[in-house]
Amino acid sequence: QKEVEQDPGPLSVPEGAIVSLNCTYSNSAFQYFMWYRQYSRKGPELLMYTYSSGNKEDGRFTAQVDKSSKYISLFIRDSQPSDSATYLCAMSRGRDTGRRALTFGSGTRLQVQP
Amino acid sequence: ETGVTQTPRHLVMGMTNKKSLKCEQHLGHNAMYWYKQSAKKPLELMFVYSLEERVENNSVPSRFSPECPNSSHLFLHLHTLQPEDSALYLCASSQGTDWQPQHFGDGTRLSIL
Repeated sequence: QKEVEQDPGPLSVPEGAIVSLNCTYSNSAFQYFMWYRQYSRKGPELLMYTYSSGNKEDGRFTAQVDKSSKYISLFIRDSQPSDSATYLCAMSRGRDTGRRALTFGSGTRLQVQP
Repeated sequence: ETGVTQTPRHLVMGMTNKKSLKCEQHLGHNAMYWYKQSAKKPLELMFVYSLEERVENNSVPSRFSPECPNSSHLFLHLHTLQPEDSALYLCASSQGTDWQPQHFGDGTRLSIL
């Protein structure tokens, strides 16, 4: 079983829709949670990161963490064609150097149709 | 414009060649990482350097040899690679004194003939 599970999609939505992207994980040692966006032929770009359970909002993006269920989500409001990309969830176990490395989900490909 | 620069962007090499990938970060970070991204697989951690010391080697074959001469530069030396090593190789950096997220370069697309 993978440590981090993420639906690969592709997910196709019309412009203006609310998008929900999700990951589940099995290792309760994960404490830090991130979402990256990756456009074709580019590296992952950090969107949001959070430490605690609960919600964190930044513009059209909301990250949600539920540690009790080992479940994280990214919501995109008013989706735009420019949001079309692969979204990667990532998590790490802690601050110590050896625990800081990221474990990634396989990524969800999102297509926002104009 | 990314604060982590990787060169070359594309590399085609034969199985017997020796080449090196270069990464430079302009963010003042002191931890650097190599990841491998293959089609339809999650990013896989290869190496972690903190303050120029290798602190993690994630069971990577010896045909991959990292080097970190200072906190701004990271190299990945390649020799006698296999076709399954064709992938996107990504470099990342972070500030290591406390937990901070990693920032990635755009990667080197490596193809092994």
